[in-house]
Amino acid sequence: QSALTQPASVSGSPGQSITISCTGTSSDVGSYNLVSWYQQHPGKAPKLMIYEGSKRPSGVSNRFSGSKSGNTASLTISGLQAEDEADYYCCSYAGSSTVFGGGTKLTVL
Amino acid sequence: QLQLQESGSGLVKPSQTLSLTCAVSGGSISSGGYSWSWIRQPPGKGLEWIGYIYHSGSTYYNPSLKSRVTISVDRSKNQFSLKLSSVTAADTAVYYCARRPNYGDYEDAFDIWGQGTMVTVSS
Repeated sequence: QSALTQPASVSGSPGQSITISCTGTSSDVGSYNLVSWYQQHPGKAPKLMIYEGSKRPSGVSNRFSGSKSGNTASLTISGLQAEDEADYYCCSYAGSSTVFGGGTKLTVL
Repeated sequence: QLQLQESGSGLVKPSQTLSLTCAVSGGSISSGGYSWSWIRQPPGKGLEWIGYIYHSGSTYYNPSLKSRVTISVDRSKNQFSLKLSSVTAADTAVYYCARRPNYGDYEDAFDIWGQGTMVTVSS
């Protein structure tokens, strides 16, 4: 069971859009529509932002969206705001187990 | 609003067993449809899934930790626990407990998290 692959860092200016990729295999991301995304600010617990690949929990801004193509899932944040600066983790069901991505640090310039 | 709170030993000696408990408040751990999970995060590193226990009592563990991990539920105390044996410095991390719906809204996502507790393995 290997971790999902995410870029270590991404950056963008306020108002811009960024996309974070999450690459897995046919045993996890590619086989199940059960990818979730989490936002984590320093010293805080992760917060669920996207589930089942593209669904947003109540209370999460519609600036956050998710998608999937084959073995790769993506998180897009539009209209970047300073408060979006955080670490982001993808996560996938993998058949009786769960695997996280290595995390991506988002910097808002 | 359901809340989770981790507690347990913050300092564990190498080769000993790490023991943590997650208290559930604002709801019952016995309500069906959820699995109760443990996730950890070494300092400066990413999240690692440890395992979860279903309402049925079935457990599923990270293959890399399976030989050392036990997750159990105490319904009378509305809490669940983690035991990790034969710890080394590599087990030093913030340990989180989390709820995972098995179906319906937020299926297979970790929708509620505890605040986390730091465990250091050192002699």
